[in-house]
Amino acid sequence: DTEVTQTPKHLVMGMTNKKSLKCEQHMGHRAMYWYKQKAKKPPELMFVYSYEKLSINESVPSRFSPECPNSSLLNLHLHALQPEDSALYLCASSQSLAGGQETQYFGPGTRLLVL
Amino acid sequence: QQQVKQSPQSLIVQKGGISIINCAYENTAFDYFPWYQQFPGKGPALLIAIRPDVSEKKEGRFTISFNKSAKQFSLHIMDSQPGDSATYFCASAFYNQGGKLIFGQGTELSVKP
Repeated sequence: DTEVTQTPKHLVMGMTNKKSLKCEQHMGHRAMYWYKQKAKKPPELMFVYSYEKLSINESVPSRFSPECPNSSLLNLHLHALQPEDSALYLCASSQSLAGGQETQYFGPGTRLLVL
Repeated sequence: QQQVKQSPQSLIVQKGGISIINCAYENTAFDYFPWYQQFPGKGPALLIAIRPDVSEKKEGRFTISFNKSAKQFSLHIMDSQPGDSATYFCASAFYNQGGKLIFGQGTELSVKP
């Protein structure tokens, strides 16, 4: 089973709201990722967690705050977003970051609209 | 040096035809090359991947051809079907520096019945 689940599927929020995106995998993977994808563009890496520790932050604005409470869960906390942050937010996981185990499996994404 | 250039941007193929999507990379240190398929409103799904120690890998109707000297790789979809209509992304990554896929810009494939 190579399933990564994400909730909610859709989210509409105002610029002053605080919301969270959730991601879960039960494949025993120890690396998890957040990506942002705009229409007709490739996914852009935001954050990488390895063994529940933040490994990569691609200079993402602080209004996005990731959290990895355990090896199966990944959250993305959102606060004071801008309309240009509207996008599809994708979660992915891989066995680890080691060579040969880096194949990433993506979830279906959360479609975020910021008004 | 970390770019991956993908072409064409869009492709229309008749049912039963061969779809060919090409990617070129610059950094010779890349050593993992996956292809992802994405349907509208869905996340990307891994289709097939190759490492530079082989020149070709085939899985069903999907084949990756890899040319290390030219720093190019391509996806061939044989006997293309309308259900193959999707956006395809090539990507590159460094072995043992997992976490960062460098994606191409994507190819929107439409297979006409």
